[in-house]
Amino acid sequence: DGGITQSPKYLFRKEGQNVTLSCEQNLNHDAMYWYRQDPGQGLRLIYYSQIVNDFQKGDIAEGYSVSREKKESFPLTVTSAQKNPTAFYLCASSIRTSGNEQYFGPGTRLTVT
Amino acid sequence: KNQVEQSPQSLIILEGKNCTLQCNYTVSPFSNLRWYKQDTGRGPVSLTIMTFSENTKSNGRYTATLDADTKQSSLHITASQLSDSASYICVVSEGTNDYKLSFGAGTTVTVRA
Repeated sequence: DGGITQSPKYLFRKEGQNVTLSCEQNLNHDAMYWYRQDPGQGLRLIYYSQIVNDFQKGDIAEGYSVSREKKESFPLTVTSAQKNPTAFYLCASSIRTSGNEQYFGPGTRLTVT
Repeated sequence: KNQVEQSPQSLIILEGKNCTLQCNYTVSPFSNLRWYKQDTGRGPVSLTIMTFSENTKSNGRYTATLDADTKQSSLHITASQLSDSASYICVVSEGTNDYKLSFGAGTTVTVRA
């Protein structure tokens, strides 16, 4: 898992509540990413950030929001607008967005009932 | 749409035996292909990375091959160990947007004593 931490490991929420997932890295990487993993499917990109105070939507950004106020931190908020939020969420980082390997955190399993 | 297809979806092997996992992709243009190992409930960890010009890459008991002409890759596990039980994910990078990764759904390998 390198120098990327995600917390908490398990998260339970009631439908209609917003929830924020934490992602911190001490690798001095410029780029950070959020992915969603569902059973039987490949990882799908939610948001990515190439630099502080900048972020871009990925393939499935609807119902999610992010911020990048610090280089080390890239929190993801799952809003009540996300229709099917129960999933395993993975944060990753790389030196830059181009040509560099992404290192993944340990993941947060979110269950919404 | 760029796709990465992996087979088989799952397999069970006895400890000490070998196995081969397959990955077919349609990503174009192609930049590189990575194999990741993901333990249950954890983040993926990189095993190998291959560019267009590389045909084979080894990492201990893991050997990956790439045929860029047919857009196929394989991951061979030699003398399997119980710790090899995991999901193995094939990941392909686009040539123009290297941050943009296409993930296979993974092959779940179970090694039995």
